Amino acid sequence: GENVEQHPSTLSVQEGDSAVIKCTYSDSASNYFPWYKQELGKGPQLIIDIRSNVGEKKDQRIAVTLNKTAKHFSLHITETQPEDSAVYFCAASGAGSYQLTFGKGTKLSVIP
Amino acid sequence: NAGVTQTPKFQVLKTGQSMTLQCAQDMNHNSMYWYRQDPGMGLRLIYYSASEGTTDKGEVPNGYNVSRLNKREFSLRLESAAPSQTSVYFCASSPPRTGRETQYFGPGTRLLVL
Repeated sequence: GENVEQHPSTLSVQEGDSAVIKCTYSDSASNYFPWYKQELGKGPQLIIDIRSNVGEKKDQRIAVTLNKTAKHFSLHITETQPEDSAVYFCAASGAGSYQLTFGKGTKLSVIP
Repeated sequence: NAGVTQTPKFQVLKTGQSMTLQCAQDMNHNSMYWYRQDPGMGLRLIYYSASEGTTDKGEVPNGYNVSRLNKREFSLRLESAAPSQTSVYFCASSPPRTGRETQYFGPGTRLLVL
């Protein structure tokens, strides 16, 4: 089955700096890669996703890049703000699959 | 439009007791899912229901049963709770028009088994 590894497990940045979280996946058939943000005491919330026919996708301060050859994808947050502090999860899913395989999460702390 | 709702928000059980976690969505989604979240383990799929009338095992189904009551509701039952089932449980659903993979999560149920 699919295996998703996520790094780093914790990340601290100064407000205004950029943050990068990286994930690798094992199944070359995976074709959908969402990112979720989870605030304390809440459920995960989808913030951006990318499909395997696209190399990069941006939404304001958030971007995701995908390298299918190397089987890794990354989340980039620019101009970080204190409200970006949360746990971020990457995930991967294969074509036609109902199952998302999640990474173990990255706790991002943005220091004012 | 409430999205995905879960009840209860928090529950304490004694070992051996049973309970049912309830989940409902009002987004007309076809597929629904149950996950558990443990520290350092991420989210692991327990069971899912691709459509009304069908259910399938995920990564960690042992000790759980599910019922897809109708298109809106998907319940998770613990028949005989064990301390290893102490966790936060999340229900999710996915819409048909954007692809089965996009999942939207509820707020979670925090379960403590003593």
